[in-house]
Amino acid sequence: EIVLTQSPATLSLSPGERATLSCRASQSVSSYLAWYQQKPGQAPRLLIYDASNRATGIPARFSGSGSGTDFTLTISSLEPEDFAVYYCQQRSNWPLGTFGPGTKVDIK
Amino acid sequence: EVQLVESGGGFVQPGGSLRLSCAASGFTFSSYEMNWVRQAPGKGLEWVSYISTSGSVIYYADSVKGRFTISRDNAKNSLYLQMNSLRPEDTAVYFCARDTKFAVAGTYWFDPWGQGTLVTVSS
Repeated sequence: EIVLTQSPATLSLSPGERATLSCRASQSVSSYLAWYQQKPGQAPRLLIYDASNRATGIPARFSGSGSGTDFTLTISSLEPEDFAVYYCQQRSNWPLGTFGPGTKVDIK
Repeated sequence: EVQLVESGGGFVQPGGSLRLSCAASGFTFSSYEMNWVRQAPGKGLEWVSYISTSGSVIYYADSVKGRFTISRDNAKNSLYLQMNSLRPEDTAVYFCARDTKFAVAGTYWFDPWGQGTLVTVSS
Protein backbone atom coordinates (compact mmCIF):
# COMPACT_ATOMS: atom_id res chain seq x y z
CA GLU A 1 0.00 0.00 0.00
CA ILE A 2 1.32 3.41 -0.98
CA VAL A 3 1.27 5.92 1.87
CA LEU A 4 1.38 9.67 1.34
CA THR A 5 2.75 12.03 3.96
CA GLN A 6 2.30 15.79 3.81
CA SER A 7 4.31 18.50 5.50
CA PRO A 8 3.96 20.70 7.30
CA ALA A 9 0.65 19.84 8.95
CA THR A 10 -0.08 23.55 9.31
CA LEU A 11 1.45 26.49 7.51
CA SER A 12 0.81 29.95 8.96
CA LEU A 13 1.41 32.70 6.44
CA SER A 14 0.23 36.18 5.57
CA PRO A 15 -1.53 37.23 2.35
CA GLY A 16 1.03 37.91 -0.36
CA GLU A 17 3.52 35.39 0.98
CA ARG A 18 4.68 32.30 -0.87
CA ALA A 19 3.40 28.91 0.30
CA THR A 20 5.35 25.70 -0.29
CA LEU A 21 3.59 22.43 0.56
CA SER A 22 5.22 19.02 0.40
CA CYS A 23 3.82 15.56 -0.36
CA ARG A 24 5.98 12.45 -0.12
CA ALA A 25 5.04 8.94 -1.28
CA SER A 26 6.28 5.75 0.37
CA GLN A 27 7.20 4.43 -3.08
CA SER A 28 7.33 5.89 -6.55
CA VAL A 29 4.02 7.05 -8.01
CA SER A 30 5.66 8.44 -11.16
CA SER A 31 3.65 11.59 -11.97
CA TYR A 32 0.30 10.11 -10.90
CA LEU A 33 -0.30 12.75 -8.27
CA ALA A 34 -2.91 15.45 -7.82
CA TRP A 35 -3.56 18.30 -5.41
CA TYR A 36 -6.99 19.30 -4.10
CA GLN A 37 -8.10 22.36 -2.15
CA GLN A 38 -10.85 22.14 0.46
CA LYS A 39 -12.44 25.06 2.25
CA PRO A 40 -14.56 24.62 5.40
CA GLY A 41 -17.95 23.11 4.66
CA GLN A 42 -17.14 22.63 0.99
CA ALA A 43 -16.22 19.74 -1.25
CA PRO A 44 -12.62 19.37 -2.39
CA ARG A 45 -11.66 21.01 -5.67
CA LEU A 46 -9.07 19.70 -8.10
CA LEU A 47 -6.15 22.11 -8.47
CA ILE A 48 -3.27 20.19 -10.04
CA TYR A 49 -3.19 16.84 -11.84
CA ASP A 50 -0.35 14.69 -13.13
CA ALA A 51 1.91 16.49 -10.65
CA SER A 52 2.22 19.74 -12.57
CA ASN A 53 -0.83 20.47 -14.73
CA ARG A 54 -3.33 23.07 -13.54
CA ALA A 55 -6.98 22.07 -13.77
CA THR A 56 -9.41 24.26 -15.69
CA GLY A 57 -9.94 27.67 -14.10
CA ILE A 58 -7.13 27.36 -11.56
CA PRO A 59 -5.11 30.58 -11.24
CA ALA A 60 -1.50 30.64 -12.38
CA ARG A 61 -0.28 31.35 -8.85
CA PHE A 62 -0.79 27.63 -8.16
CA SER A 63 1.93 25.36 -9.47
CA GLY A 64 2.94 21.78 -8.88
CA SER A 65 6.23 19.99 -9.34
CA GLY A 66 7.94 16.70 -8.64
CA SER A 67 7.89 13.08 -9.71
CA GLY A 68 8.61 9.71 -8.19
CA THR A 69 8.25 10.17 -4.43
CA ASP A 70 8.62 13.91 -3.78
CA PHE A 71 6.12 16.53 -4.83
CA THR A 72 5.55 20.21 -4.12
CA LEU A 73 2.56 22.51 -4.41
CA THR A 74 3.53 26.18 -4.55
CA ILE A 75 1.24 29.15 -4.18
CA SER A 76 3.33 32.06 -5.37
CA SER A 77 1.46 34.83 -3.58
CA LEU A 78 -1.34 33.94 -1.19
CA GLU A 79 -4.73 35.49 -1.79
CA PRO A 80 -7.32 35.63 1.02
CA GLU A 81 -9.33 32.87 -0.67
CA ASP A 82 -6.35 30.49 -0.67
CA PHE A 83 -6.45 29.84 3.07
CA ALA A 84 -7.72 26.27 3.13
CA VAL A 85 -6.65 22.65 3.51
CA TYR A 86 -4.68 21.06 0.70
CA TYR A 87 -4.59 17.31 0.01
CA CYS A 88 -2.40 15.33 -2.33
CA GLN A 89 -3.69 12.14 -3.94
CA GLN A 90 -1.91 9.38 -5.79
CA ARG A 91 -3.41 7.08 -8.40
CA SER A 92 -0.42 5.03 -9.55
CA ASN A 93 -2.55 1.98 -8.71
CA TRP A 94 -5.66 3.33 -10.48
CA PRO A 95 -8.53 3.13 -9.84
CA LEU A 96 -7.60 3.13 -6.19
CA GLY A 97 -6.77 6.62 -4.99
CA THR A 98 -5.17 7.25 -1.65
CA PHE A 99 -4.94 10.71 -0.11
CA GLY A 100 -2.39 12.38 2.09
CA PRO A 101 -3.41 13.69 5.53
CA GLY A 102 -3.55 17.31 4.37
CA THR A 103 -1.80 20.61 5.02
CA LYS A 104 -3.77 23.48 6.49
CA VAL A 105 -2.74 26.92 5.28
CA ASP A 106 -3.99 29.46 7.77
CA ILE A 107 -3.62 33.18 8.26
CA LYS A 108 -0.71 34.27 10.40
CA GLU B 1 -23.63 22.77 -15.48
CA VAL B 2 -22.08 19.57 -14.22
CA GLN B 3 -23.60 18.71 -10.86
CA LEU B 4 -23.49 15.90 -8.34
CA VAL B 5 -25.96 15.90 -5.46
CA GLU B 6 -25.74 13.36 -2.65
CA SER B 7 -28.61 12.36 -0.39
CA GLY B 8 -29.62 9.65 2.05
CA GLY B 9 -27.36 10.48 4.98
CA GLY B 10 -28.61 10.49 8.51
CA PHE B 11 -28.35 9.03 11.99
CA VAL B 12 -28.14 5.27 12.41
CA GLN B 13 -27.28 2.92 15.25
CA PRO B 14 -24.25 0.62 15.08
CA GLY B 15 -25.05 -2.45 13.03
CA GLY B 16 -27.64 -0.57 11.01
CA SER B 17 -27.86 0.20 7.31
CA LEU B 18 -28.18 3.24 5.07
CA ARG B 19 -28.32 3.75 1.32
CA LEU B 20 -26.71 6.85 -0.12
CA SER B 21 -27.58 8.26 -3.52
CA CYS B 22 -25.77 10.62 -5.84
CA ALA B 23 -27.79 12.29 -8.59
CA ALA B 24 -25.78 13.40 -11.59
CA SER B 25 -26.73 16.07 -14.12
CA GLY B 26 -25.12 18.16 -16.80
CA PHE B 27 -23.07 15.36 -18.36
CA THR B 28 -23.46 11.89 -19.86
CA PHE B 29 -23.40 9.91 -16.64
CA SER B 30 -23.08 6.54 -18.35
CA SER B 31 -19.73 7.56 -19.85
CA TYR B 32 -17.96 8.20 -16.55
CA GLU B 33 -16.54 6.02 -13.82
CA MET B 34 -17.57 7.17 -10.36
CA ASN B 35 -16.25 7.07 -6.81
CA TRP B 36 -17.28 7.51 -3.20
CA VAL B 37 -14.93 9.33 -0.83
CA ARG B 38 -15.56 10.00 2.85
CA GLN B 39 -14.30 12.43 5.46
CA ALA B 40 -14.67 11.82 9.18
CA PRO B 41 -15.36 14.94 11.25
CA GLY B 42 -12.22 17.07 11.39
CA LYS B 43 -10.22 14.46 9.51
CA GLY B 44 -8.80 13.92 6.04
CA LEU B 45 -10.18 12.31 2.90
CA GLU B 46 -10.52 8.54 2.51
CA TRP B 47 -11.32 6.91 -0.84
CA VAL B 48 -14.11 4.36 -0.32
CA SER B 49 -15.15 2.78 -3.60
CA TYR B 50 -14.97 2.90 -7.42
CA ILE B 51 -17.35 1.69 -10.10
CA SER B 52 -16.81 1.44 -13.84
CA THR B 53 -19.17 2.89 -16.42
CA SER B 54 -21.13 -0.34 -16.81
CA GLY B 55 -20.86 -1.36 -13.17
CA SER B 56 -18.92 -4.48 -14.07
CA VAL B 57 -15.68 -3.42 -12.34
CA ILE B 58 -15.83 -2.43 -8.69
CA TYR B 59 -13.21 -1.77 -6.04
CA TYR B 60 -13.47 -1.06 -2.31
CA ALA B 61 -11.19 0.21 0.41
CA ASP B 62 -10.28 -2.54 2.86
CA SER B 63 -12.06 -0.63 5.63
CA VAL B 64 -15.48 -1.14 3.98
CA LYS B 65 -15.02 -4.34 1.99
CA GLY B 66 -17.76 -6.84 2.68
CA ARG B 67 -20.02 -4.24 4.28
CA PHE B 68 -20.56 -1.58 1.59
CA THR B 69 -21.88 -2.09 -1.95
CA ILE B 70 -21.49 0.45 -4.73
CA SER B 71 -23.88 0.41 -7.68
CA ARG B 72 -25.23 2.66 -10.39
CA ASP B 73 -28.32 3.09 -12.54
CA ASN B 74 -27.30 4.77 -15.78
CA ALA B 75 -30.92 5.15 -16.86
CA LYS B 76 -31.55 7.22 -13.75
CA ASN B 77 -28.20 9.04 -13.79
CA SER B 78 -27.61 7.86 -10.27
CA LEU B 79 -24.85 6.37 -8.14
CA TYR B 80 -25.52 4.48 -4.92
CA LEU B 81 -23.71 3.26 -1.84
CA GLN B 82 -25.44 0.61 0.26
CA MET B 83 -23.86 0.61 3.70
CA ASN B 84 -24.52 -2.34 6.02
CA SER B 85 -23.16 -3.35 9.42
CA LEU B 86 -22.33 0.27 10.12
CA ARG B 87 -19.77 1.12 12.78
CA PRO B 88 -19.11 4.34 14.69
CA GLU B 89 -15.91 4.74 12.67
CA ASP B 90 -18.01 5.01 9.52
CA THR B 91 -19.28 8.38 10.75
CA ALA B 92 -18.31 10.83 8.02
CA VAL B 93 -19.41 13.10 5.22
CA TYR B 94 -19.70 10.96 2.12
CA PHE B 95 -18.87 12.59 -1.22
CA CYS B 96 -19.45 11.22 -4.69
CA ALA B 97 -16.85 12.23 -7.25
CA ARG B 98 -16.65 11.81 -11.00
CA ASP B 99 -13.61 10.12 -12.43
CA THR B 100 -12.60 12.56 -15.15
CA LYS B 101 -10.11 11.73 -17.87
CA PHE B 102 -7.62 14.41 -18.69
CA ALA B 103 -7.05 13.92 -22.41
CA VAL B 104 -3.48 15.17 -22.66
CA ALA B 105 -2.15 12.65 -20.19
CA GLY B 106 -4.90 10.05 -20.34
CA THR B 107 -5.07 9.92 -16.56
CA TYR B 108 -8.12 10.11 -14.34
CA TRP B 109 -8.78 12.40 -11.40
CA PHE B 110 -11.73 13.28 -9.17
CA ASP B 111 -13.53 16.21 -10.75
CA PRO B 112 -16.07 17.42 -9.80
CA TRP B 113 -17.28 16.39 -6.36
CA GLY B 114 -20.72 16.61 -4.82
CA GLN B 115 -21.34 18.63 -1.67
CA GLY B 116 -21.53 15.53 0.52
CA THR B 117 -24.03 13.90 2.85
CA LEU B 118 -23.39 13.28 6.56
CA VAL B 119 -23.68 9.81 8.03
CA THR B 120 -23.62 9.52 11.82
CA VAL B 121 -23.32 6.09 13.43
CA SER B 122 -23.94 6.19 17.16
CA SER B 123 -25.91 4.50 19.89
